[in-house]
Amino acid sequence: KNEVEQSPQNLTAQEGEFITINCSYSVGISALHWLQQHPGGGIVSLFMLSSGKKKHGRLIATINIQEKHSSLHITASHPRDSAVYICAVAKGGSEKLVFGKGTKLTVNP
Amino acid sequence: EPEVTQTPSHQVTQMGQEVILRCVPISNHLYFYWYRQILGQKVEFLVSFYNNEISEKSEIFDDQFSVERPDGSNFTLKIRSTKLEDSAMYFCASRGQIEAFFGQGTRLTVV
Repeated sequence: KNEVEQSPQNLTAQEGEFITINCSYSVGISALHWLQQHPGGGIVSLFMLSSGKKKHGRLIATINIQEKHSSLHITASHPRDSAVYICAVAKGGSEKLVFGKGTKLTVNP
Repeated sequence: EPEVTQTPSHQVTQMGQEVILRCVPISNHLYFYWYRQILGQKVEFLVSFYNNEISEKSEIFDDQFSVERPDGSNFTLKIRSTKLEDSAMYFCASRGQIEAFFGQGTRLTVV
C-alpha cells in the first residue's frame, strides 16, 4: 500500500474554477510538502506544512495532523496553473521525502 | 532568487558506461539529496547527504551509485556502470533549516 495517496489522479477545470487536490498519508510525519512539476519535468516547492494552513497568492494548503490529511486549493484557476501537483511527506525521524503519484491538473481557457 | 542548478539537462549514455550528474546546491544549505523519477512513475528518494557523509540511503542506492561533494559547492551523483533501468529524471535538492529546493533535473537515457 502506498504511504501517500493523492486524489484525484487527473483533474480538468475551466478557468476561474476553485480547485481542490487531496493528500492522505498513513505514516507519522514531521512535515508535508506540496510541489508543482511542470511539463518539462522541473519541480518547484510550493508549501511545507507541519500544522494549520498556509497561503501564497491564489494557493492555499491545509493539513489536519489527526486525520493525516492535507489539501491544496487553487482559487480563480488559470491555464498557467496546469501542471502535476505532488504531495510528499517527511517521515518522522527520516531525512527522505516519500512522494505521492501526483495529480495532473489541466485548466482550460 | 537562489536556485539549485543541475547539469547536464539531458545525458545519453551507453549501457555499462559511467555517468556523473552534477548539482550546485544553494550556497548556505547543509542538507543535500538525490531523487529519481522513472518515466510515468512517482519520484523516489535515493540518498541524503549531510556533513560530508551519507545520512540516509534507499534500497535503490546500491554499490553502483556514489555521491560526493568534491569542492564545497558541487554535489555529484555517480553511476558506475549504467543499466537500461537507470534511465530516469534525476533531481537534486538542497535544504537549509526548513524548506527544500529542487533543481530542474537531469534526464538520463541509457541506450
